[in-house]
Amino acid sequence: KAGVTQTPRYLIKTRGQQVTLSCSPISGHRSVSWYQQTPGQGLQFLFEYFSETQRNKGNFPGRFSGRQFSNSRSEMNVSTLELGDSALYLCASSLGQATYEQYFGPGTRLTVT
Amino acid sequence: QKEVEQNSGPLSVPEGAIASLNCTYSDRGSQSFFWYRQYSGKSPELIMSIYSNGDKEDGRFTAQLNKASQYVSLLIRDSQPSDSATYLCAVIPSGGGADGLTFGKGTHLIIQP
Repeated sequence: KAGVTQTPRYLIKTRGQQVTLSCSPISGHRSVSWYQQTPGQGLQFLFEYFSETQRNKGNFPGRFSGRQFSNSRSEMNVSTLELGDSALYLCASSLGQATYEQYFGPGTRLTVT
Repeated sequence: QKEVEQNSGPLSVPEGAIASLNCTYSDRGSQSFFWYRQYSGKSPELIMSIYSNGDKEDGRFTAQLNKASQYVSLLIRDSQPSDSATYLCAVIPSGGGADGLTFGKGTHLIIQP
C-alpha cells in the first residue's frame, strides 16, 4: 500500500506571498492532519480534516487554513507568509475511525525569505 | 497546558545494549500514546502505540505505560547503529483528538558501534 505523499517537497517563497501545500493520504484513510515542525518548537498540530470537514484546529493564526476533498486529499494554505513560517510541514493520515495512529508523509520544506 | 516532556539527550548506548527512552505527560486523562522515530532530514515514522497500562512488545521494541505515574517509556533491545535517530513521544490528550497529537521535543539516541 502506498504511503502518504506530499507535494511539493521543497518550496522557497518571499515574505508576504501565499503558498498551497498538498497531501494525499494512504488509501482508505479518511483523516488528514497537518503539523508544523521547527527546531525551536518541535512538532505542533495545525488542524485535522475528516470527511471534508475540519474536525480539530491547533493554536495557529487564521493565515493558516486547509481543506479536504471528497477523495480525502487535503491542501493547506498559508497566506501573507512571514519569516517565522519557515518550517517542515508534515501531513499525517489515519483511518479516523476510533484510532489515532497517524502515518506521516515526507513533508514539505518551506523557506520564507 | 498539556505537555509532553522528554530528555533531549544525546543518549549514547553501546551496540548490542538496551536503550531506554523515557517520557512524561501532564494530562492525566490522556488515553493514547505513541513512539515515533525520526531520522535526520526525514519525517517521523510510527514504531509503537500503547493504550493500556503495562508492556507491549514488538520485535526489539517494548513500550511501557504507567498511567498512575503519567509515564511512558520505550526500550530497544540489542541496539543497532541503525537505531540512531531522534525518538518522539506523542500523546492524545483528554478530549480525544481535539488537539491532535501532542509531541515531546524528542530524545536524540546514538548507538555506538
